Amino acid sequence: DAGVTQSPTHLIKTRGQQVTLRCSPKSGHDTVSWYQQALGQGPQFIFQYYEEEERQRGNFPDRFSGHQYPNYSSELNVNALLLGDSALYLCASSLNAFGNTIYFGEGSWLTVV
Amino acid sequence: GNSVTQMEGPVTLSEEAFLTINCTYTATGYPSLFWYVQYPGEGLQLLLKATKADDKGSNKGFEATYRKETTSFHLEKGSVQVSDSAVYFCALDSGYSTLTFGKGTMLLVSP
Repeated sequence: DAGVTQSPTHLIKTRGQQVTLRCSPKSGHDTVSWYQQALGQGPQFIFQYYEEEERQRGNFPDRFSGHQYPNYSSELNVNALLLGDSALYLCASSLNAFGNTIYFGEGSWLTVV
Repeated sequence: GNSVTQMEGPVTLSEEAFLTINCTYTATGYPSLFWYVQYPGEGLQLLLKATKADDKGSNKGFEATYRKETTSFHLEKGSVQVSDSAVYFCALDSGYSTLTFGKGTMLLVSP
């Protein structure tokens, strides 16, 4: 059983560019969340998708957007990249039920230069 | 709002020493509590969890007890190994599978 898979693993972008990160949830999971982890910090919640809709959103600007497909896979898009967007972006999946375990992927390392 | 506070690191121990990493939380309602571990260059792995007061989560020799009266979820291990060197994150989920994390505590274990 594959866990949460993310792509790409590493990427470098220039300020002002746009980036798309992809995530496939663990088999059977219907809820996908995205987190940003800056170096030396804990992960910060960006947003969550369930039934192809954004259900919750953290304190991130509109430059951060996402999508969930019918097969539950998800994308994170970041427009107008800033140097401060350099971070590890983690995708997490779970079942839509309280107390269920949340599983994380290995993450996508984004460097903005 | 929700918040998690954990002890700052790094925590430096010799192999076979006893480990405690403190974690306290602020949350509305009755959250689920988690410890995640992150090895260098990797994503997060769930270490253990507890979903209600007085529950004890345990895994790989690590334990943590959900203490509602002190709003704490301290991580303990009786005898650490070099392979336990990693960053440990305490986190809570107050509903809808959305995690609030602490800043992380780095553990360094020397032979």
